[in-house]
Amino acid sequence: KNQVEQSPQSLIILEGKNCTLQCNYTVSPFSNLRWYKQDTGRGPVSLTIMTFSENTKSNGRYTATLDADTKQSSLHITASQLSDSASYICVVSAKTGGADGLTFGKGTHLIIQP
Amino acid sequence: NAGVTQTPKFQVLKTGQSMTLQCAQDMNHNSMYWYRQDPGMGLRLIYYSASEGTTDKGEVPNGYNVSRLNKREFSLRLESAAPSQTSVYFCASSENQGANYGYTFGSGTRLTVV
Repeated sequence: KNQVEQSPQSLIILEGKNCTLQCNYTVSPFSNLRWYKQDTGRGPVSLTIMTFSENTKSNGRYTATLDADTKQSSLHITASQLSDSASYICVVSAKTGGADGLTFGKGTHLIIQP
Repeated sequence: NAGVTQTPKFQVLKTGQSMTLQCAQDMNHNSMYWYRQDPGMGLRLIYYSASEGTTDKGEVPNGYNVSRLNKREFSLRLESAAPSQTSVYFCASSENQGANYGYTFGSGTRLTVV
């Protein structure tokens, strides 16, 4: 069964600090991996999408990495801001799937403290 | 652009009541989706519509029906609500169905069934 595991479940850091969120997956055959940001009471918003051949992708202060061999991805947030407080969701797509080929992780809940 | 608009934002139902959740997108996307999000779980696909005139079951379709009214609108109906359907419901759309297309999500409908 396809699975996406994220760690940690929750994280609290001080404003201005960096942090890294982890995503491990067992989705086959792999097509792409996405990171979403979900603010409280809002829908997920796409941050990055990476295919098998991409190992790094940036979006402002967000940098995602992908190691397709070990089936791991990370999302690094640099110089955190209060507005970064949100849940971050890792989503992995399988090549054979259509809409039901997407597997969602449970998310990491990040709190930035002033 | 409004993107994906969901109504209502909040709803409380009594067990056995029926209701329809509305979703509309203004991006001329062909594919639309309904997900539910429960505490401690990743988003789960209820139903999707790859294109106007077609609908398919996702991972958790029991207790729900859908209608793709036209290219813009995709509604989700609960015929006889149950407490197990208490959840946050998200509608999403993409240019086409398939692993390589990005999804745009609405802001969600928070449904409580008592």
